[in-house]
Amino acid sequence: KAGVTQTPRYLIKTRGQQVTLSCSPISGHRSVSWYQQTPGQGLQFLFEYFSETQRNKGNFPGRFSGRQFSNSRSEMNVSTLELGDSALYLCASSRQGVTEAFFGQGTRLTVV
Amino acid sequence: DQQVKQNSPSLSVQEGRISILNCDYTNSMFDYFLWYKKYPAEGPTFLISISSIKDKNEDGRFTVFLNKSAKHLSLHIVPSQPGDSAVYFCAELAGGTSYGKLTFGQGTILTVHP
Repeated sequence: KAGVTQTPRYLIKTRGQQVTLSCSPISGHRSVSWYQQTPGQGLQFLFEYFSETQRNKGNFPGRFSGRQFSNSRSEMNVSTLELGDSALYLCASSRQGVTEAFFGQGTRLTVV
Repeated sequence: DQQVKQNSPSLSVQEGRISILNCDYTNSMFDYFLWYKKYPAEGPTFLISISSIKDKNEDGRFTVFLNKSAKHLSLHIVPSQPGDSAVYFCAELAGGTSYGKLTFGQGTILTVHP
């Protein structure tokens, strides 16, 4: 059974640009969550999608957004990138969002 | 606000001995606690979970204990192996409408010496 797949693995962007990250969940998993990991803040929840609907959102500015498609694949977008957005972005999938979550390898975003 | 704390930043253990990783929490209304193992620049790997209705769960070398009165849980790894060296996170999955939201502790770096 394939795991959670995130693309791309690495990205370098310039301040002010926008970026889109992609996540394909485990087959049969309909809940996709996104997390940001930084050395200072640790692992922080961004948002969760289920059946194309955002059900939960963390404490991040509106520059961070996401969506989910009918095949449960999800994308997150960060607009007007800031240096502080440099982080490892992780996607996790689970069956309903209320059970164990499995993570992808992450996308390392560097903003210069 | 929900809080999950791992008060030990690091733990060093000899191969073959027991590793005990600890986690404290404040929120009583949770569904599960989960333990993850993480290597740098990779996603966390799910290890084991425990639901709020249990006080112990075992899976191979990994056992998690939950003490609800003390709001404390621990992960035991027996016997410890050098390949277990990684950062370990406990994470709370709250109930209700906290869909998909895991609240993580700060992590504990486990080093297992041969």
